[in-house]
Amino acid sequence: SQKIEQNSEALNIQEGKTATLTCNYTNYSPAYLQWYRQDPGRGPVFLLLIRENEKEKRKERLKVTFDTTLKQSLFHITASQPADSATYLCAPRHQPPGNNRLAFGKGNQVVVIP
Amino acid sequence: DVKVTQSSRYLVKRTGEKVFLECVQDMDHENMFWYRQDPGLGLRLIYFSYDVKMKEKGDIPEGYSVSREKKERFSLILESASTNQTSMYLCASRPRWSSGSYEQYFGPGTRLTVT
Repeated sequence: SQKIEQNSEALNIQEGKTATLTCNYTNYSPAYLQWYRQDPGRGPVFLLLIRENEKEKRKERLKVTFDTTLKQSLFHITASQPADSATYLCAPRHQPPGNNRLAFGKGNQVVVIP
Repeated sequence: DVKVTQSSRYLVKRTGEKVFLECVQDMDHENMFWYRQDPGLGLRLIYFSYDVKMKEKGDIPEGYSVSREKKERFSLILESASTNQTSMYLCASRPRWSSGSYEQYFGPGTRLTVT
């Protein structure tokens, strides 16, 4: 069955540096992958979607890459700010059947130190 | 802005009680989802619905049922609450597939404690 892996250890990073998070998936090839941000006690908020035929996607200070050979997506926050501190969830499209669903990783916490 | 609202932020119930969690979205989305989120386990899908009166089981449907009588409303029912159902419950909605929009919009969550 599909497996989505995100680093369970929090990433502590100095303000202004680039934070990089990894999402690895196994046993299938999703047509696209999404990234969400979740603040404590709140629901996740959509950030970016990248399709299997796209190598890279950007939105303001965020950048996502999708390597279908490595079965990996990287999520970058450039010029990180304390307000970027949150948990980031990787969510590839669920493998069929049920391909209208997402499969969520457990999330990776980012702490930006001023 | 899409708004997904959940009936309660915090709920405390006793073991064996029947519990109703309500979710309402105001963007005419066809798809609605119920997840639970637990530390170390991440978001797990309980049930989803792609149309009124339609439902499909997710990964952990045991002990739950759902109801979708109106497009904007999706209810999660715990038939007989148990302590292992203590969790954060999150509702989400999404437009139909053909719209080209695949992102899910989440509600604020209901933190349910079963004692």
